[in-house]
Amino acid sequence: LAKTTQPISMDSYEGQEVNITCSHNNIATNDYITWYQQFPSQGPRFIIQGYKTKVTNEVASLFIPADRKSSTLSLPRVSLSDTAVYYCLVTGGGNKLTFGTGTQLKVEL
Amino acid sequence: DTAVSQTPKYLVTQMGNDKSIKCEQNLGHDTMYWYKQDSKKFLKIMFSYNNKELIINETVPNRFSPKSPDKAHLNLHINSLELGDSAVYFCASSRLIGTGMNTEAFFGQGTRLTVV
Repeated sequence: LAKTTQPISMDSYEGQEVNITCSHNNIATNDYITWYQQFPSQGPRFIIQGYKTKVTNEVASLFIPADRKSSTLSLPRVSLSDTAVYYCLVTGGGNKLTFGTGTQLKVEL
Repeated sequence: DTAVSQTPKYLVTQMGNDKSIKCEQNLGHDTMYWYKQDSKKFLKIMFSYNNKELIINETVPNRFSPKSPDKAHLNLHINSLELGDSAVYFCASSRLIGTGMNTEAFFGQGTRLTVV
């Protein structure tokens, strides 16, 4: 199973763009990169998933370089409500989601 | 309408007791899971059921027994509760698909279990 490494915490201010990078050096050909968000006292929530290049949805963008050994979750113009833990997962099909330590994002005024 | 609902939300009980946590999903998914999140916030899968059959069983004490009466329900029964069982337990559901793209999992709100 490909292991992921991401910063333990990040701080930002409202209105800024936040980029959280995740490294997954052992990613396999069939693996996808998936990000989840978890607010305090809630279950994780799917944000975005990608295989290569760039994926964008209404919440975030995901940038994946050609070698796929890392990925960057980009949150445009964060607000206080984006304060949460963000998990980067490498998922190779099947249904076993392996969560790492996540990145605690704190957004301040 | 809550997609994945679990009850109770909070559970405080004494060591040695037996307790159950219930989970229901109304998304029409055929796969359900139990995850445990400890005090350090690590989320670890415990069990997964597909169409009422156990497909993932991580190294979990046999005091923990999941039961799936139908594919919309996955309950977790815990016997002889210990202090170390204190954690937040999350139920989740998803579709089961083949290799390649991982399917999105939907999580419940969690059950905070405190064993005293």
